[in-house]
Amino acid sequence: GAVVSQHPSRVICKSGTSVKIECRSLDFQATTMFWYRQFPKQSLMLMATSNEGSKATYEQGVEKDKFLINHASLTLSTLTVTSAHPEDSSFYICSAKITQGGQPQHFGDGTRLSIL
Amino acid sequence: AQTVTQSQPEMSVQEAETVTLSCTYDTSESNYYLFWYKQPPSRQMILVIRQEAYKQQNATENRFSVNFQKAAKSFSLKISDSQLGDTAMYFCAFMKHVFGNEKLTFGTGTRLTIIP
Repeated sequence: GAVVSQHPSRVICKSGTSVKIECRSLDFQATTMFWYRQFPKQSLMLMATSNEGSKATYEQGVEKDKFLINHASLTLSTLTVTSAHPEDSSFYICSAKITQGGQPQHFGDGTRLSIL
Repeated sequence: AQTVTQSQPEMSVQEAETVTLSCTYDTSESNYYLFWYKQPPSRQMILVIRQEAYKQQNATENRFSVNFQKAAKSFSLKISDSQLGDTAMYFCAFMKHVFGNEKLTFGTGTRLTIIP
């Protein structure tokens, strides 16, 4: 149980393109989902917390207008990287957790984004 | 704010041996959760083990066990009978027991290599 699907796994696109990444909880409802960015050989950096039916909470230094998050249902959150540039190239990972307190986050397989 | 420290950037051990990864954390909270996640070369984040701070008994999951020392704020992971598939980055993570604010704080990770 507690499977999280993230799509696509790999994206290569031109500078200026907007890219949407989906995160789905397949067998549980997730009131809260999280979006992380991971640079090579580094730990995960939390970008934002996505709450179903409300605005996402962004971490300090993360541009809200650059990284648009939508959490329209209890099983789906999307991250849109708008007008992507080469510096946005990175590995993006989502996670979801069961609403019950203290439950661990379950992670998607990640999306490798490359902006040319 | 919470901090998580993993002082061993890299470790290696022979197959079938036992290895212990260290993790310390700093918090003023009295109730919280601790996790170990594994990230193999595929980059998927896999939950290894979970510990509730109010439980004195150390968590175990098959070959994986923890040594949780609450007073010392230490949370080490022991891997017994190590296998080649254990080769991965291991991240220690902290989560407050506050519903609605259950963000994970990650350590910088330990790269573990199991040598055949």
